[in-house]
Amino acid sequence: AQKITQTQPGMFVQEKEAVTLDCTYDTSDPSYGLFWYKQPSSGEMIFLIYQGSYDQQNATEGRYSLNFQKARKSANLVISASQLGDSAMYFCAMREIAGNNRKLIWGLGTSLAVNP
Amino acid sequence: DVKVTQSSRYLVKRTGEKVFLECVQDMDHENMFWYRQDPGLGLRLIYFSYDVKMKEKGDIPEGYSVSREKKERFSLILESASTNQTSMYLCASSGDRGRMNTEAFFGQGTRLTVV
Repeated sequence: AQKITQTQPGMFVQEKEAVTLDCTYDTSDPSYGLFWYKQPSSGEMIFLIYQGSYDQQNATEGRYSLNFQKARKSANLVISASQLGDSAMYFCAMREIAGNNRKLIWGLGTSLAVNP
Repeated sequence: DVKVTQSSRYLVKRTGEKVFLECVQDMDHENMFWYRQDPGLGLRLIYFSYDVKMKEKGDIPEGYSVSREKKERFSLILESASTNQTSMYLCASSGDRGRMNTEAFFGQGTRLTVV
């Protein structure tokens, strides 16, 4: 069954340091996409970064990068040079192309606190 | 700038009331979704729609119904609100059916309290 696992309920990081948020996934479909979203305390979900299963390179978007290890089925989010505004919930999600590819499968999230 | 707008940020309703949560997107997206979010349970899909007048059940459709009469609007209906439906409700939309890398865009959320 499709599944996303985020094993870190909460994380702390010092401002200006890098932090890695873990995400592992389970799927039997060779074609899928992986997404990371940020949810600040205001509640809105904000898209951060996308990685396709056939992408040769790890995705990067500004201070966000994705450490994609296909054989291990992991897609960890790396935030470099953490800022106070990075304090939020972070969710990993997956979409498969087989079946109904309109739906996203979600992890339970990781709460990140950035300390000054 | 792309936008998904939910009609209310906060809502308080009484048990047994019929409740309408409205969501409008201005991106001409085919797909629209309703989730509820509860602490420790993550996002759970209630219903989604991939076209006007089309709808499909998500993981937790019981106690809810939806309506999509126009492409830009997707309504979530609580037929008879109960206290266990107190939650944060999130609407999302996505486009380009068949493309893998199309992210979902979310509204600001509606925090519903049923008393």
